[in-house]
Parts: sequence; C-alpha cells; structure tokens
Amino acid sequence: DGGITQSPKYLFRKEGQNVTLSCEQNLNHDAMYWYRQDPGQGLRLIYYSQIVNDFQKGDIAEGYSVSREKKESFPLTVTSAQKNPTAFYLCASSSLGLTRVYSEGYTFGSGTRLTVV
Amino acid sequence: SQQGEEDPQALSIQEGENATMNCSYKTSINNLQWYRQNSGRGLVHLILIRSNEREKHSGRLRVTLDTSKKSSSLLITASRAADTASYFCATAPKPYTDKLIFGTGTRLQVFP
Repeated sequence: DGGITQSPKYLFRKEGQNVTLSCEQNLNHDAMYWYRQDPGQGLRLIYYSQIVNDFQKGDIAEGYSVSREKKESFPLTVTSAQKNPTAFYLCASSSLGLTRVYSEGYTFGSGTRLTVV
Repeated sequence: SQQGEEDPQALSIQEGENATMNCSYKTSINNLQWYRQNSGRGLVHLILIRSNEREKHSGRLRVTLDTSKKSSSLLITASRAADTASYFCATAPKPYTDKLIFGTGTRLQVFP
C-alpha cells in the first residue's frame, strides 16, 4: 500500500535535547511538508521541500531543522532552540503538476505527538 | 500565517441532519481544499475546488466557492456519527505558491 509513515507516534524530549521525527513516503511525491498543530488550533507550516537537497522555511521554522537527502524521506529535527516544542507534528506530501498548480490534495501521515518532560 | 477561518468553531447535530461549515480567506486563490481530521490522527483530503468552479459534489459532500466574497462552504448531508471530526479548509494562494495555508477548523460532533 502506498502511503506516508511517521514515527514514532509518541516522543518525549528532555530539556536541552534535540530529537528527530521521521517521515517516509512511498507515493513518489515530489513535495513534502512539516506542520505543527497545537491543541484546538489549525496547522502551521514549519518547513517544506519540493526537490531533493532543497527546502524552504515556513512560517515557524525557528528552532527546527530538516534535510531532504532522498525523495522518500524528510526528517524533522526539533532542536533545543525550540522553547515550546510540545505539539502534534504532521508530515504531508503531494505531487506537483506540470503547471505547478495542485490538482490533488496533500497526503498526511498519522502524526507524532511530542512532549517535553 | 493563517489565511482561512472556519465558522462555526464547533457544531453539534443529530444523526441524519445536515452540517454546514463555512470558510473565509483573505487573498486570491488557485484552489481551496477541505480536509477531515479525526481526533489524534492525520488529516484526510476530502475535496478540492478550483477558483473557476462554483460548486462541487462528492458523495454526501457539497462544496461551494464564492471568490467574490472569498468564502467557501462545506455541506455534509445526512450526517452520521462517523462524521464526527474536525474539518479544515486550506487555500492555495495566488500567485502560485507551493504550499497550502490551513484554517483553524470546525469541530463537528454528530450524536447518534
């Protein structure tokens, strides 16, 4: 089955620690995205990538870092510089049409819930 | 930045009733999409409507788009308890941008 897999489902971070959230897709999608969701709120874009070895900052990139070494993978590192990392993190992917206007929606993973302990 | 705002923030109805959710946005768009999110899960794409379309149907879902008012509505007919979820609109703004901007969501509760 094609899909997008996030791991782990739950993650606990100690103060001052970096943690990495995994996101893997086998949909052959070009673009991948990381969103943060706080309780009762919408999604805010952290980083996104349209092509291997290239990525752009979203609206709340401070304290986060990403890499895109393979088309299938887009890991997110939450660094110690992120002062309030407790949230639900969602990874998504999409294909890009020839006219670069979306003709279909995003496919989302099932999320990683990160808690600072 | 949050572009879309859903209204109402929360909605409770009985099974069999229709549910209507509205989305307003600020800038011109290429398309608008609706997603569903069950509690603690990822989002699921429901339907996409392009800026040159006014209405679109998919099963029990009906979406309208009014670009002059910068608004959209999602109608779920004959709702079921399984429709209980949060619903988000997302816009692909013009000029072309390679990212969607999500609204704040409507929490729908359908009672059996």
